[in-house]
Amino acid sequence: RKEVEQDPGPFNVPEGATVAFNCTYSNSASQSFFWYRQDCRKEPKLLMSVYSSGNEDGRFTAQLNRASQYISLLIRDSKLSDSATYLCVVPGNNRKLIWGLGTSLAVNP
Amino acid sequence: SQTIHQWPATLVQPVGSPLSLECTVEGTSNPNLYWYRQAAGRGLQLLFYSVGIGQISSEVPQNLSASRPQDRQFILSSKKLLLSDSGFYLCAWNLGLEAFFGQGTRLTVV
Repeated sequence: RKEVEQDPGPFNVPEGATVAFNCTYSNSASQSFFWYRQDCRKEPKLLMSVYSSGNEDGRFTAQLNRASQYISLLIRDSKLSDSATYLCVVPGNNRKLIWGLGTSLAVNP
Repeated sequence: SQTIHQWPATLVQPVGSPLSLECTVEGTSNPNLYWYRQAAGRGLQLLFYSVGIGQISSEVPQNLSASRPQDRQFILSSKKLLLSDSGFYLCAWNLGLEAFFGQGTRLTVV
């Protein structure tokens, strides 16, 4: 099993839709998780941190399922500007971060 | 507030030429520093990380090297570039777990 695994997509959704991505991780001892957003040809930017069961910020909700070892990102009322690649990150050993390959989202008018 | 600067933004270099990419962080002390590479359509590959001046850990054998001559300066170098060195190079820093990235350097080796 890969350390961090994401469905690459692409997810194509209409404006206003609700979309959810999952990210599975292999290290059951992991305590914190992150979602980053990366626009085309740009650097990744931190979107949300998840330290306990979940986190909510406006239209974005991140949830953690420790039993099944996955985190999810839910986007409600999708906007065109939400089109990007969403990267899941899990801290590893020695201050390293383990990155998923990302899930591509395209929100269509 | 903390900021990270990375330059140049784009670079086109011939095969066999040297490389030097520089990254500096402002507004913090003793950050962890990272160099990543992202090939087209691929994920982030950790190349080097540093927890202090002169302390460099290499993640993958390659044609590149890194140095940290000052607390907030991280340099990525190569003596002779290969075609396979093309990619998007990202410098990042953190103190806690969340990482923050520079704007990246898009390197094309021709």
